[in-house]
Amino acid sequence: EAQVTQNPRYLITVTGKKLTVTCSQNMNHEYMSWYRQDPGLGLRQIYYSMNVEVTDKGDVPEGYKVSRKEKRNFPLILESPSPNQTSLYFCASSLQASGSYEQYFGPGTRLTVT
Amino acid sequence: GQQVMQIPQYQHVQEGEDFTTYCNSSTTLSNIQWYKQRPGGHPVFLIQLVKSGEVKKQKRLTFQFGEAKKNSSLHITATQTTDVGTYFCAGRNTPLVFGKGTRLSVIA
Repeated sequence: EAQVTQNPRYLITVTGKKLTVTCSQNMNHEYMSWYRQDPGLGLRQIYYSMNVEVTDKGDVPEGYKVSRKEKRNFPLILESPSPNQTSLYFCASSLQASGSYEQYFGPGTRLTVT
Repeated sequence: GQQVMQIPQYQHVQEGEDFTTYCNSSTTLSNIQWYKQRPGGHPVFLIQLVKSGEVKKQKRLTFQFGEAKKNSSLHITATQTTDVGTYFCAGRNTPLVFGKGTRLSVIA
């Protein structure tokens, strides 16, 4: 089954404790992206990747890191989480960044930083 | 940078009433996509519009792309409780830019 998976689905952590949210897709997609969703603010892009070893900042990259060492994986790293990073996070992928390709979203990761 | 504005932010309708959400971009878009997010779920792709003035229908949903390719709308005829959720438009440039969404509530 074609899908985007994220782990963990729920996470409660404390300020400053490094964490990684994994994202994996099995569709051989080139483009992958991370979004955060907050009430009233919609989906805001954190980072995106056009292909392996190619990443770029989105609208709200501060406090986050990403890497794209393999085509299928695009982990999101919070080196020192803070309470303002409490949010619902979605990973998404599409065949390519340009052109007419729909984005497939993962199920989401709800992160709480206390 | 590019912005995609979506209105209204919320809409409450009685079951059977119609619903419309509007999307406006500050720049010309190569195409526009629409997504639906059910409560507690993740965004799911509905449709993509590419041509100026394009109109597409999916059962009770009608999607339009403006002549100048700067605006779009989604119209739902005779809403049902299954239509509940948040509808997002997304402007197709690189990277994809999402509107803030319209949350639809349907009162049975």
